[in-house]
Amino acid sequence: EPEVTQTPSHQVTQMGQEVILRCVPISNHLYFYWYRQILGQKVEFLVSFYNNEISEKSEIFDDQFSVERPDGSNFTLKIRSTKLEDSAMYFCASSVGGVNSPLHFGNGTRLTVT
Amino acid sequence: AQSVSQHNHHVILSEAASLELGCNYSYGGTVNLFWYVQYPGQHLQLLLKYFSGDPLVKGIKGFEAEFIKSKFSFNLRKPSVQWSDTAEYFCAVAGGSGTYKYIFGTGTRLKVLA
Repeated sequence: EPEVTQTPSHQVTQMGQEVILRCVPISNHLYFYWYRQILGQKVEFLVSFYNNEISEKSEIFDDQFSVERPDGSNFTLKIRSTKLEDSAMYFCASSVGGVNSPLHFGNGTRLTVT
Repeated sequence: AQSVSQHNHHVILSEAASLELGCNYSYGGTVNLFWYVQYPGQHLQLLLKYFSGDPLVKGIKGFEAEFIKSKFSFNLRKPSVQWSDTAEYFCAVAGGSGTYKYIFGTGTRLKVLA
């Protein structure tokens, strides 16, 4: 079964540094998402992306965050200047259609900001 | 705004016991409902989904869920749990015009004792 793949699995960075989290969605999927899960808390929506643009974003997704699909296969999340509270598990997800299609999640990237 | 609440945060059961995990959502319009499972160290996997039709939905691994519109509920059930069902279970809702995001509940951590 096709999978969503995310790299790296773990990322440790210092506060103020930029990080890029990478995702390769399932190839025929059209909708892409980033979610995050702070340890012990619920899975939170960050952003959805369709047709090469952001279709929706949450209040968490401020100017420090950006997403990009640079080459038709990768889908990246960039955090420009990391803060301690950005430490979380970041999940990429994709789906064939919009809200009527289930999300397929990657294994996540554990980001630790020190 | 949509919200999802899961009433049980931690559940401990013995093998062969029956399971019911509660999920209530707040959105009054047409919704799509999902249960995802996260085994230790793994990504979120879809257990089952409800879009329309028969309100009793059967999923993988013997799980089922019942959509009760009047109660805004979508409870997950399994008649006889196994040790391998130890995991965290997330209810999610998607719906509403102009949005593609999924809203997740806080999750229920299930531990099954052998």
